[in-house]
Amino acid sequence: GAGVSQSPSNKVTEKGKDVELRCDPISGHTALYWYRQSLGQGLEFLIYFQGNSAPDKSGLPSDRFSAERTGGSVSTLTIQRTQQEDSAVYLCASSSDLAGGVATDTQYFGPGTRLTVL
Amino acid sequence: KQEVTQIPAALSVPEGENLVLNCSFTDSAIYNLQWFRQDPGKGLTSLLLIQSSQREQTSGRLNASLDKSSGRSTLYIAASQPGDSATYLCAVLNSGNTPLVFGKGTRLSVIA
Repeated sequence: GAGVSQSPSNKVTEKGKDVELRCDPISGHTALYWYRQSLGQGLEFLIYFQGNSAPDKSGLPSDRFSAERTGGSVSTLTIQRTQQEDSAVYLCASSSDLAGGVATDTQYFGPGTRLTVL
Repeated sequence: KQEVTQIPAALSVPEGENLVLNCSFTDSAIYNLQWFRQDPGKGLTSLLLIQSSQREQTSGRLNASLDKSSGRSTLYIAASQPGDSATYLCAVLNSGNTPLVFGKGTRLSVIA
């Protein structure tokens, strides 16, 4: 595809339910990032995948959050037992990596998934 | 820990004015700095990326400068238009395999 796509665009769920958010990065991009944008807050990093390396999970707010990236392409962010404070826009981005494995190129963002937990 | 601050939080200007958005960061050891635009309900669009070795980048009516030693960047918008109304986000990439660190943004309104 031409850009990063995310699905669904909107998700409303009840407290306690599990949700899965999907991200399709730009073809060929080896780095993939998940960010969260809560109302009135800046974007905060959640998790980062770089090639075949182990993901950097240092931004995940709790063990209810997990993510995987299959085949080095599509990624799924899973939130278990959702809470109202999980309501936010979840943004995915991808970038190509340059020599040395450092993702220094521009990050391209998807349109986001707006999650509302009732 | 890197922290990014953007001032002002919101700005309203009449059409045609030139304006400056400010961004500061606490750790000067950055790899690059990016300015993004975010429209309501939309994702982020990259406007300008400045590598740490560069002083400025220009694209059309936009000019971004970087003073790495003082931890500051500015985004200059010339001859503002109503279509420029959006939230502008500044983000830095620290050295190494790290994600972007974002400021909270400046919400710009350009009044016709």
